[in-house]
Amino acid sequence: GQSLEQPSEVTAVEGAIVQINCTYQTSGFYGLSWYQQHDGGAPTFLSYNALDGLEETGRFSSFLSRSDSYGYLLLQELQMKDSASYFCAVQNRDDKIIFGKGTRLHILP
Amino acid sequence: NAGVTQTPKFRVLKTGQSMTLLCAQDMNHEYMYWYRQDPGMGLRLIHYSVGEGTTAKGEVPDGYNVSRLKKQNFLLGLESAAPSQTSVYFCASSPQYTEAFFGQGTRLTVV
Repeated sequence: GQSLEQPSEVTAVEGAIVQINCTYQTSGFYGLSWYQQHDGGAPTFLSYNALDGLEETGRFSSFLSRSDSYGYLLLQELQMKDSASYFCAVQNRDDKIIFGKGTRLHILP
Repeated sequence: NAGVTQTPKFRVLKTGQSMTLLCAQDMNHEYMYWYRQDPGMGLRLIHYSVGEGTTAKGEVPDGYNVSRLKKQNFLLGLESAAPSQTSVYFCASSPQYTEAFFGQGTRLTVV
């Protein structure tokens, strides 16, 4: 089977840095993606890692360690608009995209 | 600049009724997916397709059928709706092994 684990909620202060972790168990792993979803909206793509290491896109970075079946999303210079749910998702060689249950990020002023 | 369009956006069904949700994409993507989202459950894959004329089961396929007769369209059918199928349904399309683009969702209530 396949499973992804991520914290259900994280709270951080505006302007700070927050890290959202994701561990996964799957066969035929190809890559790890991150998505953001605001309340009432659709998920939107943030980043994708197929190789070990850090990928940076503006204030957001994502890391992958294939040997540890682990990744994280790093959000810097937090803004109130970053309050949302964040999902990690594994892409498998059987072409499925399987999502975790999501992490709700609360940002305090 | 339509991207992925889902029809309808809202629907209320009575138990036992049938309906079809339509997903259309204009990005020429081979891969299309149907998910359902329930509170605290994340997005669960129902069925997916890797190209015109192909479909495959995801994590929670029971009670649903799909068809991909044209590359740009992916239809999700509920033959006999049940209250457990009350959910928000999202369609997505993707080039292989990269970013998935989501539609705006269909809110379905089965009473």
